[in-house]
Parts: sequence; C-alpha cells; structure tokens
Amino acid sequence: EPEVTQTPSHQVTQMGQEVILRCVPISNHLYFYWYRQILGQKVEFLVSFYNNEISEKSEIFDDQFSVERPDGSNFTLKIRSTKLEDSAMYFCATTRQDSNQPQHFGDGTRLSIL
Amino acid sequence: KQEVTQIPAALSVPEGENLVLNCSFTDSAIYNLQWFRQDPGKGLTSLLLIQSSQREQTSGRLNASLDKSSGRSTLYIAASQPGDSATYLCAVKGGADGLTFGKGTHLIIQP
Repeated sequence: EPEVTQTPSHQVTQMGQEVILRCVPISNHLYFYWYRQILGQKVEFLVSFYNNEISEKSEIFDDQFSVERPDGSNFTLKIRSTKLEDSAMYFCATTRQDSNQPQHFGDGTRLSIL
Repeated sequence: KQEVTQIPAALSVPEGENLVLNCSFTDSAIYNLQWFRQDPGKGLTSLLLIQSSQREQTSGRLNASLDKSSGRSTLYIAASQPGDSATYLCAVKGGADGLTFGKGTHLIIQP
C-alpha cells in the first residue's frame, strides 16, 4: 500500500537554527498537511496546502513557518529560527482528491531543539 | 472552537474481550470523523472514516458509530488481541481543512 514518507526520522538542531522537514506524499494525492504533536499532548493542525498554495493555517503557523513543494514531489516544512518549544513530532498527511477524504499520515520527524 | 474528548484515557483488558472506546466533540457541525491507531514512536494509521451522513463503518473486528447530533462516536473492538495494544485517536473534520484530535485512549491488551 502506498505510504507517506518523511525524512529525517529524527532531527537535532540548536536553538535559532533553521530546519527543513521533508515529506514525499502518496503519488496521486492532491492535498497536503502538516501537524505537530508535542510530547504528551494532542496532535495539532498546522497548515494545509493545495494547488501549490496554502489553503488554510492555524494560529500556531506563524511567520517562522513556511511550506513549499519545490520540485513537484517533496513537500517541505521550514522553521526559520527554531525555539525550544518547537520540539515535537511533526507529521505530514495527504488526501487523494478533497479534504473530506481520509488523511494518511507519515511516521513523523522527531524534532529536538537544544 | 471544536473540542474533542476521549474516554477512558487508558484501558487495560485481558485478551479476547470486546471493548468500547468513546469520543465526544462539542460542535456537531462536522464533515466526518476519523479513528486512528498510533503505535509508540510511529505515525498515525487510519482505521475508519465515517462521513457525517453515515451512522457506522466496519472494518474487520472494528466497528465505529457516529451520533452527530449528540456529538459522540464509539469504536468497538471485538475479540481483542495483544496486537491491538496501541493508542487510539479520534479526530473530527469541521469546515476547516485540518482535523481536530482528541488526546487518545491508551489501550493495553494483556495476553
């Protein structure tokens, strides 16, 4: 069964550094999402992306965050200047045709900010 | 603002039992509800999705029901097995693109 693939599985970064998390969506999927899960807390929606632009973003997704699909395959989340509170699991998810279909998640990237 | 609550937070039962996990949500204006399974250190595996017009969905030993008007869903697991041990997450989709998640039920099936 096709999968959403995320790299790296674990990223350790110094506070203030930029970090890029990568996701390869399922090939015929059109909607892409990023979520995060701080340890012990709920999974939280960050942003949705469709037709090469942001469809929606939450209040968590401030100016430090950006998303793009630079080469038509990878879908990336960039955090410009990381803070300690950015430490979390970051999940990429995709849906096939519209946002009312099941969302399929990758295994996540564990981001640790030192 | 949509809030999703899952009860119980943790559950430990002997193998073979049938069990029910509960999910409630505060805003009944949803498009669908999705149940996920999360294993330690792993991503979320989609189990079942119920559209707002549906009452239930079944997949193997799993059955999920939805009562939209009362803001409730249940996940029924029949004949539980040790391999069912995981955290089960409920998530609803409202008018926004993103899902709103509950905190999950941590399930342990004792051999």
